[in-house]
Amino acid sequence: EIVLTQSPGTLSLSPGERATLSCRASQSVSSYLAWYQQKPGQAPRLLIYDASKRATGIPATFSGSGSGTDFTLTISSLEPEDFAVYYCQQRNTWPLTFGQGTRLEIK
Amino acid sequence: EAQLFDSGGALVQPGGSLRLSCVASEFTFSSSAMNWVRQAPGKGLEWVSSILNSGSDTFYADSVRGRFTISRDNSKNTLYLQMNSLRAEDTAIYYCAKSINWNFDYWGQGTLVTVSS
Repeated sequence: EIVLTQSPGTLSLSPGERATLSCRASQSVSSYLAWYQQKPGQAPRLLIYDASKRATGIPATFSGSGSGTDFTLTISSLEPEDFAVYYCQQRNTWPLTFGQGTRLEIK
Repeated sequence: EAQLFDSGGALVQPGGSLRLSCVASEFTFSSSAMNWVRQAPGKGLEWVSSILNSGSDTFYADSVRGRFTISRDNSKNTLYLQMNSLRAEDTAIYYCAKSINWNFDYWGQGTLVTVSS
């Protein structure tokens, strides 16, 4: 099973700042990595798929990069509604797996 | 926009059974692979099971294989998860999710399964 390790566990930033979240895979997942955002009491929402493609309706402030084993989600300028938990997920190999999540909190 | 409505969650005793349902609308259900993903209280996301659009192929996490069965009825736009031999560690919110190329693009609101005596 491919293990996805996200860092940091918690990221404390202020609105307007830039956020950089990391996801590292235990073996290559090619570019088959997605990012999700989850707010309290809500279902997750797909942000990025295939490492760098924004899902429908996702603003351009969200961007993804990487391939192989190292991936990054960047939020260029944080809005108040961006503070949430973020998960990465790989679809390269069964079983599908998620990272443990990064909590983005207001500083 | 695709809509998914999960239901069927309940309090059940260890060793018991439960069937979850997910009714889909506003997209062509019979053309879409479907999935179940769960989240234990205060924990992260865990993929549980997936099924191809025709139902011809199914996939399971090791933690549920042999106990859970995913199925679908394309005539009713409904996805199911039959859960048998439930354990305390199966306690979670269960989400159904539509997928494109195994990216989960639409999610239900979730249904809570609690396994406890």
